[in-house]
Amino acid sequence: GENVEQHPSTLSVQEGDSAVIKCTYSDSASNYFPWYKQELGKRPQLIIDIRSNVGEKKDQRIAVTLNKTAKHFSLHITETQPEDSAVYFCAASKGTNAGKSTFGDGTTLTVKP
Amino acid sequence: DGGITQSPKYLFRKEGQNVTLSCEQNLNHDAMYWYRQDPGQGLRLIYYSQIVNDFQKGDIAEGYSVSREKKESFPLTVTSAQKNPTAFYLCASSSTGGAGQPQHFGDGTRLSIL
Repeated sequence: GENVEQHPSTLSVQEGDSAVIKCTYSDSASNYFPWYKQELGKRPQLIIDIRSNVGEKKDQRIAVTLNKTAKHFSLHITETQPEDSAVYFCAASKGTNAGKSTFGDGTTLTVKP
Repeated sequence: DGGITQSPKYLFRKEGQNVTLSCEQNLNHDAMYWYRQDPGQGLRLIYYSQIVNDFQKGDIAEGYSVSREKKESFPLTVTSAQKNPTAFYLCASSSTGGAGQPQHFGDGTRLSIL
């Protein structure tokens, strides 16, 4: 089955700096890669996603890049703000088998004011 | 306002007791999922369902059971066979189709042992 590894497990940055979180996946058939943000005690929420036919996608301060050959994808947050502090999860799915996704273990991002 | 509703928010289980966590969605999604989240860890899949009256085991199904009698509802029972049930339980749903779709999550149920 699919295996997703996420690094780093914790990340601390100063407000205004950039943050990068990386994930690798094992199943070359995976074609959908969402990123979720989970604030303390709350539900995970989708912040950005990318499909295998695209190499990069941006949404304001957030971007995701995908390297299908190397089987890794990354989340980039620029101009970080204290409200960006949360746990971020990457996931990979094939769009089949009920859309079952495999999640990374999460990265706890702390943005220091 | 569409979404996923989980109840209760907090639940306590006594030794040897089965408890049921509710999950209802009004997003008209075909697929539904149950995840377990332990402190500082990721989401582990317990069970998932693609259509009514059908469901599949996930990675950690032992000690849990589910039913899918209605499209909107996917309750999870934590049985007495689950010896370490203390965790945060998240229900999610997604539409299905040829391409992957994002999952929409409920607010979760926090289960503890008395």
